[in-house]
Amino acid sequence: DAKTTQPNSMESNEEEPVHLPCNHSTISGTDYIHWYRQLPSQGPEYVIHGLTSNVNNRMASLAIAEDRKSSTLILHRATLRDAAVYYCILREAGGYQKVTFGTGTKLQVIP
Amino acid sequence: DAGVIQSPRHEVTEMGQEVTLRCKPISGHNSLFWYRQTMMRGLELLIYFNNNVPIDDSGMPEDRFSAKMPNASFSTLKIQPSEPRDSAVYFCASSLLTESAFFGQGTRLTVV
Repeated sequence: DAKTTQPNSMESNEEEPVHLPCNHSTISGTDYIHWYRQLPSQGPEYVIHGLTSNVNNRMASLAIAEDRKSSTLILHRATLRDAAVYYCILREAGGYQKVTFGTGTKLQVIP
Repeated sequence: DAGVIQSPRHEVTEMGQEVTLRCKPISGHNSLFWYRQTMMRGLELLIYFNNNVPIDDSGMPEDRFSAKMPNASFSTLKIQPSEPRDSAVYFCASSLLTESAFFGQGTRLTVV
């Protein structure tokens, strides 16, 4: 499995944007970049995913570097409800691939 | 769809007893995953199925653990005999091919 590297923790002030980085220098051409988050006492939930182009949805934006060796999850205005562990994972397109999680980034939002 | 449904939500059992965790994936999904989460080890993939067939069970800790998927709408994870170190939150997730995976609420297992 291609590996990802994320900071263990980050802090953000409420109402401010948050940029969560992820390095995946061994990514292959067919790997999609997926982001999940896990709120306290809940199962992980899907946030966003992309291949090459930047992606936006109602929850967040995903910025993918041109060489695809890194990506950034952007929360435009952090709220207290966004406090969670954020996981960046790679998943190969086509076929059947397992979904494995690293240690993720624990985001603390300060009121 | 009600999402991935796991039962029970909480289970407390005595060491040596058999424990069966259940999962109903989202209808139409053809991949199913079982995970275990602890503070020490994080979120570990135990086993995953594609089209009801186990593909990779390398994450299953030992022979005390077994998983089955008799049909597309049901899977079980069994621990026999259970030990205190099996105490954890067990998650089931399902997905369609390589699309996003959807997780259940988990089963919190306590073995005393």
